[in-house]
Amino acid sequence: AQSVAQPEDQVNVAEGNPLTVKCTYSVSGNPYLFWYVQYPNRGLQFLLKYITGDNLVKGSYGFEAEFNKSQTSFHLKKPSALVSDSALYFCAVRASHDKIIFGKGTRLHILP
Amino acid sequence: DARVTQTPRHKVTEMGQEVTMRCQPILGHNTVFWYRQTMMQGLELLAYFRNRAPLDDSGMPKDRFSAEMPDATLATLKIQPSEPRDSAVYFCASGLRRRDSLATNEKLFFGSGTQLSVL
Repeated sequence: AQSVAQPEDQVNVAEGNPLTVKCTYSVSGNPYLFWYVQYPNRGLQFLLKYITGDNLVKGSYGFEAEFNKSQTSFHLKKPSALVSDSALYFCAVRASHDKIIFGKGTRLHILP
Repeated sequence: DARVTQTPRHKVTEMGQEVTMRCQPILGHNTVFWYRQTMMQGLELLAYFRNRAPLDDSGMPKDRFSAEMPDATLATLKIQPSEPRDSAVYFCASGLRRRDSLATNEKLFFGSGTQLSVL
């Protein structure tokens, strides 16, 4: 079955420290992977994608994600967290018929 | 800026009533997704359209939910009859699938959602 797992419901990071939000996936064929962010009372916003090429992809707001095929992971990272990064983050994968399925989300708290 | 528009933003209704949620995708987009967000289940895919044709509605309870695209500028999601367990935020998202692109649906644009409360 095609799926996305985000093993952490919540991640707390001190401002200025590096952050990682974890994601693993299960999909047949080459994976197309995405990260989205949701701020309170808003819809999701696209952050970045992996389609092919370099395993480290860069996206909006200084975020990047590392694709690891052997571990079927696509973790979101940022070298130095900001309080304004506090939000709900979703990992997603393209599944059959091009539909996009999402993980349950990880709430990121950046502590001042 | 182009954006996906959803109406209403909030809806409170009583159990058994019909609920209709509307979505105006971004002009020129040819894919539309409906998702439901709850604390327990996260973001669930309910239905997916491409060029107005339904491609996947396997995540949608068929007995009470229906999704349509009467034209390219309007997608609707109906619940009849509504139940308290349908209370959630419903999101519409649109995207563009190009035949010559490897990265189909590479970027979805989400509306602000309809927060539904069924009492």
